[in-house]
Amino acid sequence: QKEVEQDPGPLSVPEGAIVSLNCTYSNSAFQYFMWYRQYSRKGPELLMYTYSSGNKEDGRFTAQVDKSSKYISLFIRDSQPSDSATYLCAMSASGGSYKLIFGSGTRLLVRP
Amino acid sequence: DTGVSQDPRHKITKRGQNVTFRCDPISEHNRLYWYRQTLGQGPEFLTYFQNEAQLEKSRLLSDRFSAERPKGSFSTLEIQRTEQGDSAMYLCASSSSHISYEQYFGPGTRLTVT
Repeated sequence: QKEVEQDPGPLSVPEGAIVSLNCTYSNSAFQYFMWYRQYSRKGPELLMYTYSSGNKEDGRFTAQVDKSSKYISLFIRDSQPSDSATYLCAMSASGGSYKLIFGSGTRLLVRP
Repeated sequence: DTGVSQDPRHKITKRGQNVTFRCDPISEHNRLYWYRQTLGQGPEFLTYFQNEAQLEKSRLLSDRFSAERPKGSFSTLEIQRTEQGDSAMYLCASSSSHISYEQYFGPGTRLTVT
C-alpha cells in the first residue's frame, strides 16, 4: 500500500463548478501538506501548503487537512479551463530532509 | 530570479550510455532535491543536498546514479550505463533550510533510453 493515495481521475467538470480533490495517507508523522499543479510535460508548481490540521484559503483555492482522518482536500471555486491540469498532493514529516511524498495525481479537465 | 532551471530539457540516449543532467536552484536556497517521475505517477525522492553535503539518498538511487553539488550552488545528476527503465522525468527542486517543505521545482529533464 502506498503512503499517499490519490484518485487518478480524470475528473471532468463544467466551467464555474466547484472542484474537490482529495488524498488519504497512512503515515501519522506527516506534518506538512502541499498541493502542486502540473501541466503536461512541465514541472510541478506549488499552489498551497498547510501545516498540521486546519484550513487555508488563497483566492479561489482552499486547502483542508484532517489529521484525525488522515485526509486532505483541495477545493477550487469558480473553476476555469486554465485550471485543467494534474493536481498532486505531497506530504512531509518534520525534521531531516523534509523530502516530499507525493500522491499519483488527479487529472482535472474543466470544460468551457 | 527566474526560479529553478534544468538542462537539458530533453535527452535521448542509447542503452549503456552515460548521461549527466544539471540543475541550478533558486539562488538563495541552500537545499536541493532530485526527484524522478514516471508516466502517471507522482515524483519520487532520489536524494538531497544541504549546501554541498549530500545528506540523504533513496534506495531508488542505484550504484549507477551519482549526484554532486560541488560548491553548494548547481548540482549534477549522472546516470551510468543507462537502462530502458531509467526513462523518466528527472526533476530538481530547491528550498531554504528555514522552510524546507516549501520546495520549488524546475521544468525537469525528460530522459528517453532507447
